Amino acid sequence: SYVLTQSPSVSVAPGQTASISCGGDNIGTKSVHWYQQKPGQAPVLVVYDDSDWPSGIPERFSGSNSGDAATLTISRVEAGDEADYYCQVWDNKSDHPGVFGGGTKLTVL
Amino acid sequence: QVQLVESGGGVVQPGRSLRLSCAASGLTFGSSAMTWVRQGPGKGLEWVALISNDGTIKYYADSVKGRFAISRDNSKNTLYLEMNSLTTEDTAVYYCARGTGWYYFDFWGQGTLVSVSS
Repeated sequence: SYVLTQSPSVSVAPGQTASISCGGDNIGTKSVHWYQQKPGQAPVLVVYDDSDWPSGIPERFSGSNSGDAATLTISRVEAGDEADYYCQVWDNKSDHPGVFGGGTKLTVL
Repeated sequence: QVQLVESGGGVVQPGRSLRLSCAASGLTFGSSAMTWVRQGPGKGLEWVALISNDGTIKYYADSVKGRFAISRDNSKNTLYLEMNSLTTEDTAVYYCARGTGWYYFDFWGQGTLVSVSS
């Protein structure tokens, strides 16, 4: 089945830009979605279909996807952005199509 | 606004069964695909199962196929997950969510905890 690989952790200073990567075989041919999860809370969708925003999500969150890697970029990072971030795809060629990456812990220094 | 409320979690012995429910409001339930996602203690998100809006199409993770069954009652705006032959590896918070597009999950419940222990 399809595998998504994320770095375990990323650290960034407030006001800087954070980049969180999600690797997968030819992931550029799939739609990638991103979720933010804070401790004790349910996940929240922050980017869908590679680069679109759900209602209520600030445009500081953006996404890109090409080749074997997708990236979630958070501009002007704030303390409130500290959370775990997960990428996800729906692999419709698989019998088990729902796939999440292992998650990346974003620490705001 | 959209509300998804899970229930039915608890402590259960290995080998036993449990049924989770997810009551939906604020959305057109009968037009929405629905999914279950779980998260083990200290672990990441794991997709479990998805059901189409009319219940005719179902997908399962390899880890639960043959043991878990997803279903829905559109007349009651409720999603279910029947879990059989539970093992300690099934211990997790179980979230229900709406599946949109092909597929991402745009609305989530707060989760219900299932603990499998002897």
